[in-house]
Amino acid sequence: DIQMTQSPSSVSASVGDRVTITCRASQDISSWLAWYQQKPGKAPKVLIYTASSLQSGVPSRFSGSGSGTDFTLTINNLQPEDFATYYCQQAKGFPLTFGGGTKVEIK
Amino acid sequence: EVQLLESGGGLVQPGGSLRLSCEASGFTFSGYAMTWVRQAPGKGLEWVSGITHGADDTYYADSVRGRFTISRDNSKNTVYLQMNSLKVDDTAIYYCAKPYSNTWQFDYWGQGTLLTVSS
Repeated sequence: DIQMTQSPSSVSASVGDRVTITCRASQDISSWLAWYQQKPGKAPKVLIYTASSLQSGVPSRFSGSGSGTDFTLTINNLQPEDFATYYCQQAKGFPLTFGGGTKVEIK
Repeated sequence: EVQLLESGGGLVQPGGSLRLSCEASGFTFSGYAMTWVRQAPGKGLEWVSGITHGADDTYYADSVRGRFTISRDNSKNTVYLQMNSLKVDDTAIYYCAKPYSNTWQFDYWGQGTLLTVSS
């Protein structure tokens, strides 16, 4: 199975900050990686797919990069609505696997 | 507008069975694979099962293989998850999700249905 390791597990940040979340795969997954945002009591929402493609309607302050085993989600100019939990997910092979999540909290 | 509406969750005793349904609308259901993802209370996301658009192939997490069965009825735009031999650890919100074409990354999610396994 492909293990997805996210870091940090939580981060405290202020409005206007830049936040970087990393995701490492246990083997090469090419660019088969998505990033999701989840707010309490809500379903996940896709932000980025195939590592760096921005989902339609998602603000451009979100960006993704990386390939192979190391990936990054960057949130520029953090906004109040961005405080949430973020997950990466590999789509290279079954079983599909998610990272453990990163909770972005208000400092 | 794409919509995914799960139903069928509830309270079940350990060892019991339940079938979840996810009715889709707003896209050509028969052209897309579908999947189930779950989230235990206070925990992260766990992929459970997937099915290709024509139901030719099905996939399962090790934690549910042999107990859960995914199926679909393209005439009803519905995907199912039959869950047998339920365990306390199966307690979770179950989401159905639609992937982008030709990938198992998910662009639409349902609102989820809660399964509680408890005596």
